[in-house]
Amino acid sequence: QKEVEQDPGPLSVPEGAIVSLNCTYSNSAFQYFMWYRQYSRKGPELLMYTYSSGNKEDGRFTAQVDKSSKYISLFIRDSQPSDSATYLCAIGGGGTSYGKLTFGQGTILTVHP
Amino acid sequence: SQTIHQWPATLVQPVGSPLSLECTVEGTSNPNLYWYRQAAGRGLQLLFYSVGIGQISSEVPQNLSASRPQDRQFILSSKKLLLSDSGFYLCAWGQSYNSPLHFGNGTRLTVT
Repeated sequence: QKEVEQDPGPLSVPEGAIVSLNCTYSNSAFQYFMWYRQYSRKGPELLMYTYSSGNKEDGRFTAQVDKSSKYISLFIRDSQPSDSATYLCAIGGGGTSYGKLTFGQGTILTVHP
Repeated sequence: SQTIHQWPATLVQPVGSPLSLECTVEGTSNPNLYWYRQAAGRGLQLLFYSVGIGQISSEVPQNLSASRPQDRQFILSSKKLLLSDSGFYLCAWGQSYNSPLHFGNGTRLTVT
């Protein structure tokens, strides 16, 4: 079983839709959770960082963590064509040292006008 | 603010040739530094990390090596490239063990 499993997509949605991106993880000791956005031929860009269960909101983005179910989500409201990118979940802690992160495989999102 | 620079952006090298990719971080001191490789549809694979000058840990045995000659400089090298070394190489830094990582814009390496 992979440590982190991400819904593979790809997703294609109309502009203005609500997007839900999801990951599950296997190690209950994981402590902190991130979402990255990656445009084509660029490095991943940090979108959200959280270390507790519950919701964290930043503009149109909401990160949700459910440690009891080992499930994390990223919601994008009022999606825009500029949101078209690959989204990566990343999880850290849990006995891994030196800030190493375990990444999901990524979900390709396309928002069409 | 902190910035990370990675170069070159694109590189085409023949099999058997050497490799040197460089990464530098500005605006912070004593960062943790990382080299990842990203293959299409396969996520990010951690290759090396460093918590200080001269301290390198390898995650995956392979044809590559890393060095950290200065606090904010991280170098990925190979003496002889293989076709399988082709990929997108990303450098990243983090301030502590539980902080998020910040990535450079990567080097797309094609070995021919």
